[in-house]
Amino acid sequence: NAGVTQTPKFQVLKTGQSMTLQCAQDMNHEYMSWYRQDPGMGLRLIHYSVGAGITDQGEVPNGYNVSRSTTEDFPLRLLSAAPSQTSVYFCASNTGTDIIGAFFGQGTRLTVV
Amino acid sequence: DQQVKQNSPSLSVQEGRISILNCDYTNSMFDYFLWYKKYPAEGPTFLISISSIKDKNEDGRFTVFLNKSAKHLSLHIVPSQPGDSAVYFCAAYFGNEKLTFGTGTRLTIIP
Repeated sequence: NAGVTQTPKFQVLKTGQSMTLQCAQDMNHEYMSWYRQDPGMGLRLIHYSVGAGITDQGEVPNGYNVSRSTTEDFPLRLLSAAPSQTSVYFCASNTGTDIIGAFFGQGTRLTVV
Repeated sequence: DQQVKQNSPSLSVQEGRISILNCDYTNSMFDYFLWYKKYPAEGPTFLISISSIKDKNEDGRFTVFLNKSAKHLSLHIVPSQPGDSAVYFCAAYFGNEKLTFGTGTRLTIIP
């Protein structure tokens, strides 16, 4: 099983550019989430989805959009990148009913210059 | 408002000794508490969890203790091994929809 797959692994953007971080899972999990990890801040929730067609904001949603058209995919869009969005981004999925927690992708390291 | 806190950014422990990582929380509504381990350039991986109705859960070398009155949980690793060197995050669930993470503790095991 591939688990949770994130692409790309690394990306450099110029301020104002847009891009989409891709996330796909093959475990038929209903719940998917996006987190960003910054030094000294832990992982902070950006957006999450409890099923296809349903999304909600997390702790730090500003500057990011998401959609969930299928169970498998949960892309994160940056409409106009800013240096403050330089971070490592993790996508996660889980069933929501088990206690073993979420499965995470390997992360996307994004630098905005 | 940081609902889950890990006040020690780093911890060094001799190989073979016990490692104790601590975590405090403020939201008494959390249902489950989890520990994740993260190596550089990898995503976090689940380590161990505990329900809010229990006070201890053990899995091999790893034991998690929960003190609800103090809103405190800890992860004990014994004996510590070099492969345990990583960043450890505690996290909490409320309503099974989203995880709230602490800021992480970098554990270094000294051979």
